[in-house]
Amino acid sequence: RKEVEQDPGPFNVPEGATVAFNCTYSNSASQSFFWYRQDCRKEPKLLMSVYSSGNEDGRFTAQLNRASQYISLLIRDSKLSDSATYLCVGGFNQFYFGTGTSLTVIP
Amino acid sequence: GAGVSQSPSNKVTEKGKDVELRCDPISGHTALYWYRQSLGQGLEFLIYFQGNSAPDKSGLPSDRFSAERTGGSVSTLTIQRTQQEDSAVYLCASSLGGVTEAFFGQGTRLTVV
Repeated sequence: RKEVEQDPGPFNVPEGATVAFNCTYSNSASQSFFWYRQDCRKEPKLLMSVYSSGNEDGRFTAQLNRASQYISLLIRDSKLSDSATYLCVGGFNQFYFGTGTSLTVIP
Repeated sequence: GAGVSQSPSNKVTEKGKDVELRCDPISGHTALYWYRQSLGQGLEFLIYFQGNSAPDKSGLPSDRFSAERTGGSVSTLTIQRTQQEDSAVYLCASSLGGVTEAFFGQGTRLTVV
């Protein structure tokens, strides 16, 4: 079983829509979690950290559910520029990447 | 620059040749990761270095792959007797250690012909 798993998508949503991604992790001792964004043919870059209390950055909200061992990313009012692959990351003493969820925002 | 640096950015090699890929992590970062990403696919973990600890080599796909990290800084990923299926982008990332924010280099695009 993979340490971190996520639905690969693709998610195709219209501009202005709200879209949510979930990611599950297998190690209950995992301590830190992040969401990364990867544009086509580019390296992944940190989008936001995920805190136990949940956190928000503009149109993006990240949440952690330790009981069910999943993290989520909510994107509100989707923009064309949000089109990318979103990778969740988590781990205990080293981090593990999910395979990524592809998002395309359609005009 | 202050970021993770990888070289070369592109490498074309003939099947059967050996290649070396280099990663210069951010200064002070004790953790270093190598990943491989084939076109349209997710990140495939290869190897993880943390300080002076024994590296986690569990992701290396075969004994043709090896990696070293000298002096806790620069790392070299070596692929011996390259095969066409080795063609991919090889990404290096470094972090302060544990599960902290990791920064990626721009990758080396390897093409085996």
